[in-house]
Amino acid sequence: EIVLTQSPGTLSLSPGERATLSCRASQSISSGYLAWYQQKPGQAPRLLIYGASSRATGIPDRFSGSGSGTDFTLTISSLEPDDFAVYYCQQYGSSPGTFGQGTKVEIK
Amino acid sequence: QVQLQESGPGLVKPSQTLSLICTVSGGSISSGSYYWSWIRQPAGKGLEWIGRIYTSGSTNYNPSLKSRVTISVDTSKNQFSLKLSSVTAADTAVYYCASGYYFRGDHWGQGILVTVSS
Repeated sequence: EIVLTQSPGTLSLSPGERATLSCRASQSISSGYLAWYQQKPGQAPRLLIYGASSRATGIPDRFSGSGSGTDFTLTISSLEPDDFAVYYCQQYGSSPGTFGQGTKVEIK
Repeated sequence: QVQLQESGPGLVKPSQTLSLICTVSGGSISSGSYYWSWIRQPAGKGLEWIGRIYTSGSTNYNPSLKSRVTISVDTSKNQFSLKLSSVTAADTAVYYCASGYYFRGDHWGQGILVTVSS
């Protein structure tokens, strides 16, 4: 089973600032099958990024993903008020499809 | 756009079997484009992938739950289901159904809270 470790646990930033979230895997993720999700309180997760760097349909271009192998990054270039939420990474290339423990992006 | 909706009892007694159904609309579960998954989230905690099924009926389960989980599909009703046996309080969570490529969640249901309590 691939273990994903996200850092930091909480990121305190102001609107307009840049957010950089990290996801590190215990072993290499095949074919870059790494996804990022956003979850707001009381809502289901929403797919943001798949294939490590491809934006899902309707996702603004301020969200970008990068990385390969075992190290991946989600960057939000300029935080909007709607972006304050919890973000999860997931590897979806091998069973079980494990998630990271999440990074909370909160308003400073 | 595919839409998913979970349904089932919100309260299950300890040692009993949790049974949930996910109804799919806006697309056919038989299309072969997606895998159909169950994921859960205890209150205030992270996401746990439970298992998935393909149209052919082939399944994959999380090893931590494998002995207690069964996922099946009913193509005639455009539904797939989750059964989790011998539940305890640790199984209390919001349960989501989702569809997507491989183990990914491209589309999610709104989630259903299932509480295990006597």
